[in-house]
Amino acid sequence: LAKTTQPISMDSYEGQEVNITCSHNNIATNDYITWYQQFPSQGPRFIIQGYKTKVTNEVASLFIPADRKSSTLSLPRVSLSDTAVYYCLVGGDSGYALNFGKGTSLLVTP
Amino acid sequence: GAVVSQHPSRVICKSGTSVKIECRSLDFQATTMFWYRQFPKQSLMLMATSNEGSKATYEQGVEKDKFLINHASLTLSTLTVTSAHPEDSSFYICSARDPRLAGGQYTQYFGPGTRLTVL
Repeated sequence: LAKTTQPISMDSYEGQEVNITCSHNNIATNDYITWYQQFPSQGPRFIIQGYKTKVTNEVASLFIPADRKSSTLSLPRVSLSDTAVYYCLVGGDSGYALNFGKGTSLLVTP
Repeated sequence: GAVVSQHPSRVICKSGTSVKIECRSLDFQATTMFWYRQFPKQSLMLMATSNEGSKATYEQGVEKDKFLINHASLTLSTLTVTSAHPEDSSFYICSARDPRLAGGQYTQYFGPGTRLTVL
């Protein structure tokens, strides 16, 4: 399983755009990149997934450069309720479990 | 997205007793489910991979005789913590891969978690 590296923590003010970058230098050809959000005492919630270039949904955008060795989760106009831990995971269609790193603890303040 | 439920959401038991936690995929069939454990302020740690109709695969360091996993149907996996002790107190989370997502996508959906407290 590809190892991922993310900042341990980030701070932001309400209404700002937040970009969290994850590095995954040994990503395999068939690996997808998935981001999850976790609130205290809750299971992780799927945010977005991508393979290359850019993916956007109603919650976030995911930017993946051509070499796929990193990815950036972009949260537009964050609110206080976006305070959570964000995990970047890399995995392929193999049925293997996801390898959770330490994640990024995002704190949004007024 | 797909829905995964867990029951109970929290349980308190006495040391030495056994506790069963259920994980259900509500709107899809999951041939593979995963069980994680999460201690306070730490990341999720994979305990075992549960395969329908076969034995679970445990991660190194996880006692298979203590954490019994049964995946008897395509929508239900259970984790039984046998002879629980205070050090087993943790947040247990299951997940399931939605096989309806084709094209090589690999998305797991997680249950809400079960808080186990062993007195």
